[in-house]
Amino acid sequence: GENVEQHPSTLSVQEGDSAVIKCTYSDSASNYFPWYKQELGKRPQLIIDIRSNVGEKKDQRIAVTLNKTAKHFSLHITETQPEDSAVYFCAASGDGGATNKLIFGTGTLLAVQP
Amino acid sequence: DTGVSQDPRHKITKRGQNVTFRCDPISEHNRLYWYRQTLGQGPEFLTYFQNEAQLEKSRLLSDRFSAERPKGSFSTLEIQRTEQGDSAMYLCASSLRRNEKLFFGSGTQLSVL
Repeated sequence: GENVEQHPSTLSVQEGDSAVIKCTYSDSASNYFPWYKQELGKRPQLIIDIRSNVGEKKDQRIAVTLNKTAKHFSLHITETQPEDSAVYFCAASGDGGATNKLIFGTGTLLAVQP
Repeated sequence: DTGVSQDPRHKITKRGQNVTFRCDPISEHNRLYWYRQTLGQGPEFLTYFQNEAQLEKSRLLSDRFSAERPKGSFSTLEIQRTEQGDSAMYLCASSLRRNEKLFFGSGTQLSVL
């Protein structure tokens, strides 16, 4: 089955700097890759997603890149702000999209220092 | 549309007791998922419903766990003979289509003493 690895587990940046979180997946047939943000004590919320037919997607300060050959995808946050501080989870559709479940990474705790 | 709601928010029980959680998805969403999350980990898939049919179940889910979604609306997750290892946040999520945004509920935090 699908396995998703996420790095780093913690990331501390200065306000205004960029942050990059990387994930790798095992199933080359996976075709959907969302990113969720979870603030302390709150529910996970989708911030951006990408499908296997595109290599990059951007939404204001957030971008995601996908390298299907290497089976990895990354989240890029530019001009970080204190409110970006949260745990970020990557995920991949399991079993090449033939299933309905998402397999999540272990999360990255991002701390943006003012 | 008030989002996905879960009840209760917190549940403390003694080992060996049965517990039941409820999830009310977004009304037009026919897809409903249960995930489990422990501290420092990502959500772990438990089971999936499309309408009232339970179409997927994690191999990790023991026979002490059962879920239902009668009439394809709300869903319940029951854990029988709870163990300390069942302590976790149980998250429900719903979506309109496959491989589209999951809307998560606030979760039920289970503590087994």
